[in-house]
Amino acid sequence: LAKTTQPISMDSYEGQEVNITCSHNNIATNDYITWYQQFPSQGPRFIIQGYKTKVTNEVASLFIPADRKSSTLSLPRVSLSDTAVYYCLSWKGPGNTGKLIFGQGTTLQVKP
Amino acid sequence: GAVVSQHPSRVICKSGTSVKIECRSLDFQATTMFWYRQFPKQSLMLMATSNEGSKATYEQGVEKDKFLINHASLTLSTLTVTSAHPEDSSFYICSARDPDRGGDTEAFFGQGTRLTVV
Repeated sequence: LAKTTQPISMDSYEGQEVNITCSHNNIATNDYITWYQQFPSQGPRFIIQGYKTKVTNEVASLFIPADRKSSTLSLPRVSLSDTAVYYCLSWKGPGNTGKLIFGQGTTLQVKP
Repeated sequence: GAVVSQHPSRVICKSGTSVKIECRSLDFQATTMFWYRQFPKQSLMLMATSNEGSKATYEQGVEKDKFLINHASLTLSTLTVTSAHPEDSSFYICSARDPDRGGDTEAFFGQGTRLTVV
C-alpha cells in the first residue's frame, strides 16, 4: 500500500472551502484513494473514494490528477462541525481484503 | 443506525486482568474484520485481520498471545486483551465491509472501545 503524506494541521473559517492535499508518489496502478473523517473518541467515517479524475458526492469532492501521485479533498463551505481529523489512504480496491493503513491524518480546525 | 457495533464503549480494568471487546456487524455478514488501536493524538494502528473460522493475521510487532482474536461467527469478532497493563490503555476500534452496501468502497467502523487499565 502506498505511503501517503498530508499536512498535519489546517485552519479554516466557517463558510470557506477547504482543500486538503495528499501525496502518494508510489501509488500502485490498481490502488484507490479513499478519505475518512474522524471525530474525537469515535471510529472513522468514510467520506469519498476515487481512482482518477474527479469524484463528487453530497459531502465532498475528490480530485486525482492524471499522474495519480497526489489527490485533493475539497470540502465546500465548511462549518464548525467539520472540525475533525481527515485521513487519506490508499487501498487495493474492490475484491481485495479491505485492509486500510492509516497515516498521520490532517487535523482540520474550523473557526467561527 | 450503526452498521458495526462495539461493546463495551468504555471499560476500566485492573492491571493483570483480561478484557474482552466485542465487534458485531449489524444486518450483514463479515468474513473479515479488522482491529485497530489508537493512542491519544495519534493515528489508528492496524493490529490484526480477523478471519471467520480461521486464525487471525497479526501485523508485525503485535503480540498474538496478548491480543487474542476470535471470529467464531460471521457477525461477531472479539478481541481479548490478556493480562492487561497500563500501557495497554488505548482506544480500540474494529471495522468491516458490507459487500451489499458499498463494500467495494467504504469500510464501516465501530464506535470504539476506550480501555483504561489501572
